[in-house]
Amino acid sequence: DAGVTQSPTHLIKTRGQQVTLRCSPISGHKSVSWYQQVLGQGPQFIFQYYEKEERGRGNFPDRFSARQFPNYSSELNVNALLLGDSALYLCASTRDYYNEQFFGPGTRLTVL
Amino acid sequence: GQQVMQIPQYQHVQEGEDFTTYCNSSTTLSNIQWYKQRPGGHPVFLIQLVKSGEVKKQKRLTFQFGEAKKNSSLHITATQTTDVGTYFCAGPGGEGEKLIFGQGTELSVKP
Repeated sequence: DAGVTQSPTHLIKTRGQQVTLRCSPISGHKSVSWYQQVLGQGPQFIFQYYEKEERGRGNFPDRFSARQFPNYSSELNVNALLLGDSALYLCASTRDYYNEQFFGPGTRLTVL
Repeated sequence: GQQVMQIPQYQHVQEGEDFTTYCNSSTTLSNIQWYKQRPGGHPVFLIQLVKSGEVKKQKRLTFQFGEAKKNSSLHITATQTTDVGTYFCAGPGGEGEKLIFGQGTELSVKP
């Protein structure tokens, strides 16, 4: 079975721009979570979606938003990008509401 | 808010030496998970502990969950170069049972 896939792999944006990151969970997984990982730190929780509904939100500004589609894939949107948004953005899927997280390879976002 | 702390932040060992990383939560956890992230890679699930005092082994790796369910440890016996990476503990906390990760322990192994 294919693992979690994310696109794009790398992305370079300038301050003030908007970005959309995409994630496809493992087949049969209904929950998707998004994390931001800054170099040298652990992943920071941004959102969790389960059955297309938001089930959790981390301490991130309203510039961050997400959604989950009927096929359980998900998008993370970040508006008005800041330099501090530069990070690795990880998507993880789980089979049920709360199980082990299967992480995708991530999207490396650089904001200039 | 809830915090998950890990020590040490870095550990450099000679191949064959043992390694231990410790994880402490500011609140009681319903369970704790451990992940390994290789350099340039993404976190990979290792194990989940649920019961108070639980001990689980995976070959050279031993995981423990404290009696109070607020701390955990990962011990690697006779490290190998393949053990290189950052080890994270993570526990549920806050609204929606979001997963809170520690800052990780980076392990380097000198052959």
